[in-house]
Amino acid sequence: ELKVEQNPLFLSMQEGKNYTIYCNYSTTSDRLYWYRQDPGKSLESLFVLLSNGAVKQEGRLMASLDTKARLSTLHITAAVHDLSATYFCAVGLSGDMRFGAGTRLTVKP
Amino acid sequence: EAGVAQSPRYKIIEKRQSVAFWCNPISGHATLYWYQQILGQGPKLLIQFQNNGVVDDSQLPKDRFSAERLKGVDSTLKIQPAKLEDSAVYLCASSLQSIGGYGYTFGSGTRLTVV
Repeated sequence: ELKVEQNPLFLSMQEGKNYTIYCNYSTTSDRLYWYRQDPGKSLESLFVLLSNGAVKQEGRLMASLDTKARLSTLHITAAVHDLSATYFCAVGLSGDMRFGAGTRLTVKP
Repeated sequence: EAGVAQSPRYKIIEKRQSVAFWCNPISGHATLYWYQQILGQGPKLLIQFQNNGVVDDSQLPKDRFSAERLKGVDSTLKIQPAKLEDSAVYLCASSLQSIGGYGYTFGSGTRLTVV
């Protein structure tokens, strides 16, 4: 059974600081998704990573994928308050995705 | 393009009652998913449709949950009878294809509270 583990589950950071969220998964997959969810809202697609070594960046967020290590990272650079949200990774399995538990990020002034 | 539409946004029912949710995916998206998201957890897949056929319903509690996708477009998810543990947000998502680099677009969800 595919297991997707994110850490940390909770992250409180100061504005301007950098941090990385990790996503480990247990079986082979070549698709990794990152989503953002604001409280009471639906999920917003951030990145789709399709191959080993893939790196994508959007603003202060950068995601990477290492399929051999079964690891994806979401790096936050110079955090700002607007990035406060819950971030989910999801691993592609056949035709669907399996989600991690999410990382609840709070960025404090 | 219009997003994934879901209704209702909120629903409160008593246990043992029935409830139905509706989803209209993005036009042209062949694949439709229903996810259950319990508070504080990641979404869990309930059922996946490809056009109007079921691809995966292995995690759907079939004794109480049912879903259909008429004519390969709209979909409904029903719970009968509801239990307290069914309290969750039910998310519908659609995708152009089921496999590959296509992202999934999620609807706003239906928040169900069973009392």
